[in-house]
Amino acid sequence: KNQVEQSPQSLIILEGKNCTLQCNYTVSPFSNLRWYKQDTGRGPVSLTIMTFSENTKSNGRYTATLDADTKQSSLHITASQLSDSASYICVVSGADSWGKLQFGAGTQVVVTP
Amino acid sequence: GAVVSQHPSRVICKSGTSVKIECRSLDFQATTMFWYRQFPKQSLMLMATSNEGSKATYEQGVEKDKFLINHASLTLSTLTVTSAHPEDSSFYICSASVGRPTLGYEQYFGPGTRLTVT
Repeated sequence: KNQVEQSPQSLIILEGKNCTLQCNYTVSPFSNLRWYKQDTGRGPVSLTIMTFSENTKSNGRYTATLDADTKQSSLHITASQLSDSASYICVVSGADSWGKLQFGAGTQVVVTP
Repeated sequence: GAVVSQHPSRVICKSGTSVKIECRSLDFQATTMFWYRQFPKQSLMLMATSNEGSKATYEQGVEKDKFLINHASLTLSTLTVTSAHPEDSSFYICSASVGRPTLGYEQYFGPGTRLTVT
């Protein structure tokens, strides 16, 4: 069973609107949680990285939140742009695994004009 | 920011031949490099972890004799798919890290290599 679950699998939003993506994880002990953006046919690009002591982190129009107690994270995209169309991947690092990351399946976001 | 390159970006080969993919960290020295495989509409699957100068650690189910990994220097790792078959067709992505990602060190991903075996 995947230790990182993302929802929804996909969503379509209108340009200029906001959206929120969810990530639940069971990885324990926990070290850090990352959100990546992956354009089709490209490698992932880091958006945010948070340790257990951080509740929120922003990167431009992207804001990630983390609740380490409930093992939940969200990524909020504000005022979406067409270039935001991509797969957004939640990745969790366990504290006892040497560099090994647990990947969610990703949420495919499509921004339409 | 740190840049990781991959070469080639796309390769088409015939069944039974071998293909080598290079991964380079362009502006930093990577203590560890990772190789992933990604099938359509699926997330990245870790294949192996390699540290400079030592043997790669392969994930369960990944054939080490089929996927040869060489981490010759702190800036270069290569993945060779030997005797490729159509089921090896996939998107191969490498990443590089200065330190342990579990300690919060960033893992920088390459742009990926699309392998098609005919």
